[in-house]
Amino acid sequence: DAGVTQSPTHLIKTRGQHVTLRCSPISGHKSVSWYQQVLGQGPQFIFQYYEKEERGRGNFPDRFSARQFPNYSSELNVNALLLGDSALYLCASSLAVGSNSPLHFGNGTRLTVT
Amino acid sequence: GESVGLHLPTLSVQEGDNSIINCAYSNSASDYFIWYKQESGKGPQFIIDIRSNMDKRQGQRVTVLLNKTVKHLSLQIAATQPGDSAVYFCAENEGAQKLVFGQGTRLTINP
Repeated sequence: DAGVTQSPTHLIKTRGQHVTLRCSPISGHKSVSWYQQVLGQGPQFIFQYYEKEERGRGNFPDRFSARQFPNYSSELNVNALLLGDSALYLCASSLAVGSNSPLHFGNGTRLTVT
Repeated sequence: GESVGLHLPTLSVQEGDNSIINCAYSNSASDYFIWYKQESGKGPQFIIDIRSNMDKRQGQRVTVLLNKTVKHLSLQIAATQPGDSAVYFCAENEGAQKLVFGQGTRLTINP
């Protein structure tokens, strides 16, 4: 079975530009979460979506937004990119919301902002 | 700062020895903890989880121990193999699957 898939795998953008990252969850998983991982650190929570609704948001500015589609795939959008947005962006899926559903991560999108 | 952290940033072990990776957490209300393994160029891979109503859970070659009294978590890997080389993260569930990760421990295997 396919795991969580993310696209693109790598991306280079310029400061001030906008970026859209995409994620397809494991088949049957209805919850998608986004995390940002800066080099040398652990992932940090950005968003969680379940059944197309935002269920949680981390401490990130409004430049970050996301949505979930009827097929449970998701997009993460970042506007007005800053150098500090350079990171690995990870998508994770789970069957449902709650402690009984461990998160399964994709391999991420490596975003470089120059 | 992070509510979940690790005691050691790096750990080197001999192949075949057992590895123990430690983690401290600060939120006494957390009821679910997970260990992830992250290899270079990949996303975190789920290893094992444990709920707060347990103090030990075993998987294939791995054991997680939870000490709620001192808010400490550990991951034990038996008979460490070269393929175990990676960065290991503990994560704490703050509710609705908002995971708080530590900075990670890099495990290297000496032949």
